[in-house]
Amino acid sequence: DTQMTQSPSSLSASIGDRVTITCRASQNIGNFLNWYQQKPGKAPRLLIYAASNLQSGVPASFSGSRSGTDFTLTISSLQPEDFATYYCQHSYGTPSTFGQGTKVEIK
Amino acid sequence: QVQLVESGGGLVKPGGSLRLSCAASGFTFSDYYMSWIRQAPGKGLEWITYIDSRSGHTNYADSVKGRFTISRDNAQNSLFLEMNSLRGEDTAVYYCARVRSTYLHMDVWGKGTKVTVSS
Repeated sequence: DTQMTQSPSSLSASIGDRVTITCRASQNIGNFLNWYQQKPGKAPRLLIYAASNLQSGVPASFSGSRSGTDFTLTISSLQPEDFATYYCQHSYGTPSTFGQGTKVEIK
Repeated sequence: QVQLVESGGGLVKPGGSLRLSCAASGFTFSDYYMSWIRQAPGKGLEWITYIDSRSGHTNYADSVKGRFTISRDNAQNSLFLEMNSLRGEDTAVYYCARVRSTYLHMDVWGKGTKVTVSS
């Protein structure tokens, strides 16, 4: 099974900061990597699919990239509504697995 | 609008059974793969199963294989999760999600239904 190692597990940042979250896959998954945002008590929301494709309706401040088996979610300028937990997920076959999550908190 | 609504959660004793439903609306349900994902209290997300759009091909996480069964009724725009031999570690919020066939990403999620397994 492919494992996803996500880091950091949490971070503190200020409004306007650039934030980077990474996920490393334990084997080659091509571009089959997706990013989700989850706020407390709410369902997850798809942000990025296929490593770098912005889901419709998601602000352009979110972007995704890939380098080999390393994937990055970047928030270019953190806004108040971006404080949440972020998860990566590989969809390269089954079982699909999620990263452990990154909680983005206000500094 | 595109919507998924889960139901059927509740309190069940260890070893018991429960059937979850997910009602889809606002899109052609039979065109899409569907998945169930769960989240234990204070924990991360866990993919547990998916079903393809028409042939009924399914796949399961090891944690639920042999105990849970996913199914769908395309005529009724509904997805189901039959859960048997429930354990305490199955306690979670269960989400259904629509799966896009290109990169198997989950683009629409329900709000979830809570399952508690406890004596």
